[in-house]
Amino acid sequence: KQEVTQIPAALSVPEGENLVLNCSFTDSAIYNLQWFRQDPGKGLTSLLLIQSSQREQTSGRLNASLDKSSGRSTLYIAASQPGDSATYLCAVPKWDFGNEKLTFGTGTRLTIIP
Amino acid sequence: EAQVTQNPRYLITVTGKKLTVTCSQNMNHEYMSWYRQDPGLGLRQIYYSMNVEVTDKGDVPEGYKVSRKEKRNFPLILESPSPNQTSLYFCASTPAGTPSPNYGYTFGSGTRLTVV
Repeated sequence: KQEVTQIPAALSVPEGENLVLNCSFTDSAIYNLQWFRQDPGKGLTSLLLIQSSQREQTSGRLNASLDKSSGRSTLYIAASQPGDSATYLCAVPKWDFGNEKLTFGTGTRLTIIP
Repeated sequence: EAQVTQNPRYLITVTGKKLTVTCSQNMNHEYMSWYRQDPGLGLRQIYYSMNVEVTDKGDVPEGYKVSRKEKRNFPLILESPSPNQTSLYFCASTPAGTPSPNYGYTFGSGTRLTVV
């Protein structure tokens, strides 16, 4: 059974700092990994999709890396801003008997201090 | 704009009163699914649909029904809601009905349901 863990569970950093969020998964037989952000009580916004054949994917100030063999992904946020405050979730799909189900990480609640 | 639209965003109802949460996507995606999010339990899959008229149970289907009569719509039906169905619900879609590294998921904005 796939288990996805995110460390740390919560993180507070001053505005302007660069930061790294971590995502670990137990089953390395994945074909992609997706990072989302969730604002309190709101929906999930897709940030980046990184395919299993890729090592990195970038979008603006965000950079996601993937190391399948070690079961790890990181989300790097450059020059953090207060608007980056949210919960960040990673998710991996699993195909099983005609169903693709996402397994979500435990989440990192990020607070950027102005 | 490509999106998944859920309605309503917020709903308070009483035990036993049937309700439907609508979900519609405008991306011609084949695969749609419903998740619920609860503190300490994360997101769990309720039902999924591979295509029109093809639906099946996820991990927590008890107390829910779905239908997929059209490709774009995937409503979630609670025939007799109970307080333990108080949760944040998400509808999601992805292009393919088969596993692909190229496709990720688009989620709706969520429906906050309270059953009293």
